[in-house]
Amino acid sequence: AQRVTQPEKLLSVFKGAPVELKCNYSYSGSPELFWYVQYSRQRLQLLLRHISRESIKGFTADLNKGETSFHLKKPFAQEEDSAMYYCALGSTSYGKLTFGQGTILTVHP
Amino acid sequence: GAVVSQHPSWVICKSGTSVKIECRSLDFQATTMFWYRQFPKQSLMLMATSNEGSKATYEQGVEKDKFLINHASLTLSTLTVTSAHPEDSSFYICSARDRLNEAFFGQGTRLTVV
Repeated sequence: AQRVTQPEKLLSVFKGAPVELKCNYSYSGSPELFWYVQYSRQRLQLLLRHISRESIKGFTADLNKGETSFHLKKPFAQEEDSAMYYCALGSTSYGKLTFGQGTILTVHP
Repeated sequence: GAVVSQHPSWVICKSGTSVKIECRSLDFQATTMFWYRQFPKQSLMLMATSNEGSKATYEQGVEKDKFLINHASLTLSTLTVTSAHPEDSSFYICSARDRLNEAFFGQGTRLTVV
């Protein structure tokens, strides 16, 4: 069975501080991992996916198959990063996504 | 990026009535769409996979007769909540994947059953 765990429901940091949102997964096959972000009163949108290996808005995430983790990191948080972040596990075959519980990130000025 | 539109954005209905929510992919064709339910400050729970031209695939614990899904065309899927009750009040979100396999989400529909 697929499972995604985001251990932190709330995360608060100050502007300019590094931030790491944790995500661990459980999947028997080859995982496809994503981070989605939901800003206040906006729809869910893709932040990044592990196969792209790109940096979006300063965020990066590395898939660690040994630790079954896909933590999201940013060296210097900005106030506009405040949002709900969801880690998701997908299957290229079936297309559906399994979401973690979400982490509310608050960046204080 | 691609756009997925849901209608309505919010709806209030009386207990016992049925409510239909539409999900449209505006600029791409989606043979598969997904319906999620989100409780306040909680995660998205997949309800069902909507397949164009065939029956939807429901997740365990989701009542098929309660949540009717129809995917009549490559750009439209509908979710009908039948005989709605207050416990059905929730935020319903649909998504569709484009040809590059990226998922796009609708803005969601807030259903309140009174």
